[in-house]
Amino acid sequence: DAGVIQSPRHEVTEMGQEVTLRCKPISGHDYLFWYRQTMMRGLELLIYFNNNVPIDDSGMPEDRFSAKMPNASFSTLKIQPSEPRDSAVYFCASTPQGAGELFFGEGSRLTVL
Amino acid sequence: AQKITQTQPGMFVQEKEAVTLDCTYDTSDQSYGLFWYKQPSSGEMIFLIYQGSYDEQNATEGRYSLNFQKARKSANLVISASQLGDSAMYFCAMREALSMNRDDKIIFGKGTRLHILP
Repeated sequence: DAGVIQSPRHEVTEMGQEVTLRCKPISGHDYLFWYRQTMMRGLELLIYFNNNVPIDDSGMPEDRFSAKMPNASFSTLKIQPSEPRDSAVYFCASTPQGAGELFFGEGSRLTVL
Repeated sequence: AQKITQTQPGMFVQEKEAVTLDCTYDTSDQSYGLFWYKQPSSGEMIFLIYQGSYDEQNATEGRYSLNFQKARKSANLVISASQLGDSAMYFCAMREALSMNRDDKIIFGKGTRLHILP
């Protein structure tokens, strides 16, 4: 079975550019989470969805960040405009309701110059 | 307020010794779950073990066990007979609101970097 699929794996962009990160969750999973990992702040929950509906976006750092889940098999995290401090690894993860494991993608490493 | 606390930023342990990684949590929910994940230098997140709040016995998976003390709100990870390959970052996480019709939320602690010495 395919796991959570994220793209791109690596992105290098210049400050001010738009960045779009993509995620395909495991089929049948109710929940999709976006996390950001940095050395200073660890793994921060940015936003999560239940059955494609955003439930809690309180972790989104500012209005430059937006996330969508137009259907059960696809989600995007967009940063516009990007800034150097957005450099991090962004993880997408999915899980069924009440399950004992959160399934992670391999992450998207973003570098903003 | 931080809900998952890992007080050990880094640890050094001799190979073959047992290791305990600390994790305390804060929740007012009665139903919740606790996870541990390992992140080696390659960056992937590897699931290790899970404990539900209603599970009466401590979870075990091979060399990993979770020392769950509900009254103290602690969920320490114990690794028996450590190996060089155990060197990695370890994250504790909590899932709240496992009951029906409530939305689950999963948050992580800041992690503990474990170094196994030969």
